[in-house]
Amino acid sequence: NAGVTQTPKFQVLKTGQSMTLQCAQDMNHEYMSWYRQDPGMGLRLIHYSVGAGITDQGEVPNGYNVSRSTTEDFPLRLLSAAPSQTSVYFCASSARTGEYSNQPQHFGDGTRLSIL
Amino acid sequence: AQTVTQSQPEMSVQEAETVTLSCTYDTSENNYYLFWYKQPPSRQMILVIRQEAYKQQNATENRFSVNFQKAAKSFSLKISDSQLGDTAMYFCAFMKPVGFGNEKLTFGTGTRLTIIP
Repeated sequence: NAGVTQTPKFQVLKTGQSMTLQCAQDMNHEYMSWYRQDPGMGLRLIHYSVGAGITDQGEVPNGYNVSRSTTEDFPLRLLSAAPSQTSVYFCASSARTGEYSNQPQHFGDGTRLSIL
Repeated sequence: AQTVTQSQPEMSVQEAETVTLSCTYDTSENNYYLFWYKQPPSRQMILVIRQEAYKQQNATENRFSVNFQKAAKSFSLKISDSQLGDTAMYFCAFMKPVGFGNEKLTFGTGTRLTIIP
């Protein structure tokens, strides 16, 4: 199984440019989410989705857009890149398995994004 | 809102020794999940161990075990017989129960662990 696949692995952008970080999972997971990882701050939730057509904001949503048109894909869009968005971005997915059980989140390998 | 605190930014230990990483959290929930994730230099996020709050027994996975103190809101990770491959950043994370919109992790700031040969 491929699991959670993120593309690209590395990207350099100029301030003001836009781009989309791709995330795909082949495990038929309902839940998908995007995190950013900055030095000394751990991972912080940007946006998440509980199923196709449903998205919501996390802790740090400003400057980012998401959509969930299919179960498999959850792209993250930077509308106008800013140096403060320089970070490592992780996509994660998980399945709901019951009322009081939970699967741990499966993570992609991350995208290192630099904004000049 | 939940918070997760890891008070040890860096730790180092000799190979084959035992090391304990600390984690405390704050929540008003009674039922939740706690995790330890490992992030080696390859940047992958690897699940090490998980604990359900409704279970009193501490979780164990081979050399990794936790000390879960629900009343104290403490969730420490013990690594026994440490190996060079254990060198990594370790994150403690909290998750609310399954439910609409609840599938999200709150992470601590991490502890960088170095195993010395």
